[in-house]
Amino acid sequence: GAGVSQSPRYKVAKRGQDVALRCDPISGHVSLFWYQQALGQGPEFLTYFQNEAQLDKSGLPSDRFFAERPEGSVSTLKIQRTQQEDSAVYLCASRSGAGEHEQFFGPGTRLTVL
Amino acid sequence: DAKTTQPNSMESNEEEPVHLPCNHSTISGTDYIHWYRQLPSQGPEYVIHGLTSNVNNRMASLAIAEDRKSSTLILHRATLRDAAVYYCILRREYGNKLVFGAGTILRVKS
Repeated sequence: GAGVSQSPRYKVAKRGQDVALRCDPISGHVSLFWYQQALGQGPEFLTYFQNEAQLDKSGLPSDRFFAERPEGSVSTLKIQRTQQEDSAVYLCASRSGAGEHEQFFGPGTRLTVL
Repeated sequence: DAKTTQPNSMESNEEEPVHLPCNHSTISGTDYIHWYRQLPSQGPEYVIHGLTSNVNNRMASLAIAEDRKSSTLILHRATLRDAAVYYCILRREYGNKLVFGAGTILRVKS
């Protein structure tokens, strides 16, 4: 079946622009995660949803970062007034249920801020 | 979150077994040991997880020390497709987020 998909795959933004990154999780998956991966480093947790509820946003680096999942399926990560340090790969992952172990990752969106 | 320690890189020959070590001396009783790998330009991929007993699946085996302070991911026959960054992660029971370290870069030589 279809895995996690993300769009766009690549995004170039000028400093100060707003961007929106989309994640389509595996159908029926309750849990959804966003991670940020800087070049040469492991992914870092940003935020977690269970259905439409955002249960953990402790990893969001600033109030310029905002995530939503209004109907409990598709999620959008929005970054306002992008800065060069926001350049990274943004990964989305989904999990079938809260008690499950395996997270299924999408291919990521590579954001470059000029 | 409890911390894991892995070698920065390892090298293996194709079709030979690979043993990837992970130290987690501060592991708590409810921490599961997870392994993910990340191939170039892809998102991480689940490999295996365990709690106390050794585990086998189609991808790999996980050997867990009796005191649980270390574990080893075993790839029985490395192929060129196994070249990736391998992450050892501790996840608390009922926990959600994964806390990745730097991982081990595995290079496979033909």
